[in-house]
Amino acid sequence: NAGVTQTPKFRVLKTGQSMTLLCAQDMNHEYMYWYRQDPGMGLRLIHYSVGEGTTAKGEVPDGYNVSRLKKQNFLLGLESAAPSQTSVYFCASSLSSGAYEQYFGPGTRLTVT
Amino acid sequence: GENVEQHPSTLSVQEGDSAVIKCTYSDSASNYFPWYKQELGKRPQLIIDIRSNVGEKKDQRIAVTLNKTAKHFSLHITETQPEDSAVYFCAAGDDYKLSFGAGTTVTVRA
Repeated sequence: NAGVTQTPKFRVLKTGQSMTLLCAQDMNHEYMYWYRQDPGMGLRLIHYSVGEGTTAKGEVPDGYNVSRLKKQNFLLGLESAAPSQTSVYFCASSLSSGAYEQYFGPGTRLTVT
Repeated sequence: GENVEQHPSTLSVQEGDSAVIKCTYSDSASNYFPWYKQELGKRPQLIIDIRSNVGEKKDQRIAVTLNKTAKHFSLHITETQPEDSAVYFCAAGDDYKLSFGAGTTVTVRA
């Protein structure tokens, strides 16, 4: 039981490049989330999903897209990376509601130059 | 949307003393209030949570209180130990999502 995993762990992009971050969970959780963490700003919600095939915008969705084609996977895409997207990205999942414990992945450190 | 404010941003305590972190929230619809601990370079992990129908909850040295009328909740750590040094985040949310505070860096001095 690996819990929540994220790939890659580190990535450096040039401005304008694109990439996809993959989150996978093996706990059969319905809800999945993408956050970004910047110094002094806590965790800010980018997008979330309440089930396979569904996605919704969070607090800071601009510049990101997501997809949840399979229940266990939640993908975060950056179509044209900007230096302001330099951050640590965390994926999380919860059982069946936002009002349950969220289990976090190990994070992806992204630098955009 | 929900706005969560957390104070203080840093807290230094002597080993064995207590630590208190306070948070306020804005959305009266929020019904779930978890606290997460994040050690340096690690992922956030839940340490305790409380729901809106409960005023207080305790788990060994950790306790959380909730005042729905005033829209604030607090984390209390008693008999602090060096392993309590970390960043602590409060959050408030509904059935779909959470909003997090900016975090409190707690340092326990030996």
